[in-house]
Amino acid sequence: NAGVTQTPKFRILKIGQSMTLQCTQDMNHNYMYWYRQDPGMGLKLIYYSVGAGITDKGEVPNGYNVSRSTTEDFPLRLELAAPSQTSVYFCASSSSDRGPTNEKLFFGSGTQLSVL
Amino acid sequence: AQRVTQPEKLLSVFKGAPVELKCNYSYSGSPELFWYVQYSRQRLQLLLRHISRESIKGFTADLNKGETSFHLKKPFAQEEDSAMYYCALSDLGYQKVTFGTGTKLQVIP
Repeated sequence: NAGVTQTPKFRILKIGQSMTLQCTQDMNHNYMYWYRQDPGMGLKLIYYSVGAGITDKGEVPNGYNVSRSTTEDFPLRLELAAPSQTSVYFCASSSSDRGPTNEKLFFGSGTQLSVL
Repeated sequence: AQRVTQPEKLLSVFKGAPVELKCNYSYSGSPELFWYVQYSRQRLQLLLRHISRESIKGFTADLNKGETSFHLKKPFAQEEDSAMYYCALSDLGYQKVTFGTGTKLQVIP
């Protein structure tokens, strides 16, 4: 069971370039999330989705876009990369079946992105 | 808006000493609260959730609605507890999950 898979693991971008961070999960989870982790700043929610075709902004959505065409995939797109987007990005998913045993997030291993 | 505050960036304790990682929250409704942990070179993972009233690896956390707190406690720290700990809050539908800034726990041998 692969869980949540993120690609790539590392990437260096030049200012102004664009790229897509891929995230896929094989647990049939309806809820998916993108977070960025900056030192001393914790995890900030960028975007989240509660199902295919539905996305919503989190705390820090500027400079990013998402789409959710399937239940499994939730790519994060960076347009015109800036140094401020240097961070570690985490994708997560969770079940929409709520109850004491399953309302937890499953995280990917992260993507370390540097914008130079 | 929902908000989670972890006032300590770093907490250093000696092995065998008690541990308390602080978490305060702001939420207009009835919150669902969690503690997540990230060990070195491992993925973030759930440690415990308030709704289950469980003790995991000797850690417990009690929701205090009057003080809007959800502090994580352990009576005797172990070296393997050294990790980054995040407090998280979910809205009622468990859709939007907000994390605090995290506290790095360092257990000194």
